[in-house]
Amino acid sequence: SAVISQKPSRDICQRGTSLTIQCQVDSQVTMMFWYRQQPGQSLTLIATANQGSEATYESGFVIDKFPISRPNLTFSTLTVSNMSPEDSSIYLCSGGAGVPTEAFFGQGTRLTVV
Amino acid sequence: DAKTTQPNSMESNEEEPVHLPCNHSTISGTDYIHWYRQLPSQGPEYVIHGLTSNVNNRMASLAIAEDRKSSTLILHRATLRDAAVYYCILRDDVNRDDKIIFGKGTRLHILP
Repeated sequence: SAVISQKPSRDICQRGTSLTIQCQVDSQVTMMFWYRQQPGQSLTLIATANQGSEATYESGFVIDKFPISRPNLTFSTLTVSNMSPEDSSIYLCSGGAGVPTEAFFGQGTRLTVV
Repeated sequence: DAKTTQPNSMESNEEEPVHLPCNHSTISGTDYIHWYRQLPSQGPEYVIHGLTSNVNNRMASLAIAEDRKSSTLILHRATLRDAAVYYCILRDDVNRDDKIIFGKGTRLHILP
């Protein structure tokens, strides 16, 4: 199994600023992903974090708004740039070793933009 | 990803079995059926998965229809801690894409 830690667990930010969320896995995982979960909604996949290369973004998400890094197999960051109140959400990191094994999720970062 | 259909919500009494249904009529031969759940204020956690045969683990059982077009997650004796949103997800073993696309899931309420 793997344990995924996210920092910060929550933050309140001013509009127009940026926040970087860190995701640390306690063991090597093949894949890492970032999700967004708006209040009362399901999880929406933002992107796949690729080690040593540019992330692969899902439709509706762009690199300029959500730059992602993954310098090694156990660490990734997601930056929410030029924030607006619409970016208020929970952001979750996930990692796994590939189908059909289980995926693991962090506890999420609760972001409020004021 | 193939689509799954689940009821929006279900209710069960504490200490009784719970059967959570999932329809996946467009499932392909290489799709694994996974179940995850999300407890309040937590990230999702893995529950169980299967391909063709029924599966049991310490948390739950997974019953898969013979034609694989539906499955049922069984919690044998629900506790208050089992109140969560349960997600039925298909994961393709061919592409090994590994990304999980979440549907709306079933919100399970447990009555004391």
